[in-house]
This record gives sequence, C-alpha cells and structure tokens, in this order.
Amino acid sequence: QQQVKQSPQSLIVQKGGISIINCAYENTAFDYFPWYQQFPGKGPALLIAIRPDVSEKKEGRFTISFNKSAKQFSLHIMDSQPGDSATYFCAASIGGGSQGNLIFGKGTKLSVKP
Amino acid sequence: DVKVTQSSRYLVKRTGEKVFLECVQDMDHENMFWYRQDPGLGLRLIYFSYDVKMKEKGDIPEGYSVSREKKERFSLILESASTNQTSMYLCASSPLLGGGYGYTFGSGTRLTVV
Repeated sequence: QQQVKQSPQSLIVQKGGISIINCAYENTAFDYFPWYQQFPGKGPALLIAIRPDVSEKKEGRFTISFNKSAKQFSLHIMDSQPGDSATYFCAASIGGGSQGNLIFGKGTKLSVKP
Repeated sequence: DVKVTQSSRYLVKRTGEKVFLECVQDMDHENMFWYRQDPGLGLRLIYFSYDVKMKEKGDIPEGYSVSREKKERFSLILESASTNQTSMYLCASSPLLGGGYGYTFGSGTRLTVV
C-alpha cells in the first residue's frame, strides 16, 4: 500500500511533442505529490508538486494532473525539448509533505529526439 | 546556492572492506537521507535521520549502518562491502521529513566493489 507505481519505464518523444508519465498509488493518506527530474551525473531535483485540493498545476511547459478518485496523477511536458531528456520520478508523502518519507516511483527515462 | 556535498564522485573498493560515504549539507536541515539508485529499481531508501544521533531504517538497511554526530553531516557505512553493493549512492536533506519543501540531493557517489 506504500507503493507508487510509475509508467512507462522509458519514453521516446519527438521534439515538440507531448510527454506523458503516469503514476498510481493505493494509500489514500498520501496528500503531497511531487515530481523530480534527474539529469545524467546529477541528483534528482524537485520539478513541480501538487496537493489534492487542486486537480491541475501548471508551471511553464510542465503540468501535473491529479485524479483523486482514481488515485492517479500524471506529468505532462508540452512542446518537449531535447533538454528535457532526463529521468523523471513521481513521489508521494503524507501530512502535506511534512510527515513520513517521500515514496518514490521507479522512474521514467525520457528521451526527446531532435 | 544551497548544497548537499558528497565526498567522493567515484569509489572503487575491494570485497570485505569497510567503506565510508560522507555527506554534508549547508542548509541547516533537520532531515537527511541515504538512497541507492539502480537501473530499473529507482530510488531505494537505506536509512534516514531526523535529528542528530537519531536514525531510522529505510527499505533496504541490511549491510549498511549510518552515523550522524553533527547536524550537517550524515555518513553511510558499509561494514563489509560486497559486490551486490555496487551502486550509485545518493544523499539528500530536507527541512520536512515528507519533502514538503523538496529534498535536495547530492550528485551521488558511484561505488564499485570488486
């Protein structure tokens, strides 16, 4: 019940296309859902996060969509660029991000082809 | 710029050696974490610490121990290194345990045990 299931494991998108990465969870106590971005040779870095009081959050070309009833959330990257090529991790925690530990998905390796 | 610094970028050790991985943060964060990252397995939590001298086991603590004698420093110890501990090790720190303001990761230590 503590798992966050992420798909796909890898994704290839053409430049200018939309990249979509999905995550699902079981624990209804989760109430903080961040996404992390990791470039080769670097540690993951917080990209964008959402709390379940909203169904969507947008920051530039990155959007989180959240479906509380389905216990799913997804990351959409609009107008994908080669510089977006990285590994993306979804995550979840409780207490609005103050409690427990972040539970990470297994990651999605995104390649954006020029 | 806030930082989590891991002492070594690459490390090669022999089977049976005692190995120390050091991590220092300059953000006065209460919480520090050690993860290992393996292809297809994502980020797996080894140990975390929510205060000086306090430690908690994560998902895969076997074969590892930790030490936190000062707030800014969190060390991971491999008591007797084995080849299955060859991996990328990532240290992180956070003001909130659940990552509400984000986990700040170091760039990682790639450990090879031969």
